[in-house]
Amino acid sequence: NAGVTQTPKFRVLKTGQSMTLLCAQDMNHEYMYWYRQDPGMGLRLIHYSVGEGTTAKGEVPDGYNVSRLKKQNFLLGLESAAPSQTSVYFCASSQPAGLISSGNTIYFGEGSWLTVV
Amino acid sequence: AQTVTQSQPEMSVQEAETVTLSCTYDTSESDYYLFWYKQPPSRQMILVIRQEAYKQQNATENRFSVNFQKAAKSFSLKISDSQLGDAAMYFCAYRSSNFGNEKLTFGTGTRLTIIP
Repeated sequence: NAGVTQTPKFRVLKTGQSMTLLCAQDMNHEYMYWYRQDPGMGLRLIHYSVGEGTTAKGEVPDGYNVSRLKKQNFLLGLESAAPSQTSVYFCASSQPAGLISSGNTIYFGEGSWLTVV
Repeated sequence: AQTVTQSQPEMSVQEAETVTLSCTYDTSESDYYLFWYKQPPSRQMILVIRQEAYKQQNATENRFSVNFQKAAKSFSLKISDSQLGDAAMYFCAYRSSNFGNEKLTFGTGTRLTIIP
């Protein structure tokens, strides 16, 4: 019963390097999200997807790209990492809010710690 | 855009006592969902309680209850009989019910300390 799985869990990058964070969910959810968490800022939405093949910008999208080629996967890419992208990244998934049977629950992964030096 | 405000960065309470965490939000929508999430030091996001805006009755989950005031756009969390395991960051969150815009918007959090 995996739920939402993020890989990798920890990564140290040098400024200018690129990397991809992978999020996988096994609950057949339509919606997937990427958040970042910084001290004193709460969780802020980077990008999200309302279905396979769709993506949309959230509150803080600059410096990130995403793709959702398969329904169960949502990839977050950093093309040229910057120290300002040092953060904890959370992936989440859910069904549409109006779907009664889903209980309106949003499921979170355990987080990915990224440090850019 | 919706905003969520938690005006108490830190709170503390004696073990076994009751504490209330505040949350206000701003929206022009009439139908939406509100949540309280707990984040212990492990950083895991744990759903504590949820409230549907169309329901007048306040949600309750064991020692956790909310005071939902729709007109005032207020959604506070009451923790009764506080336990050491309740120590964590608590986030209030808003979710729109509008199709395609159903993302969670979080407040900045309240760090709750339990005093033995």
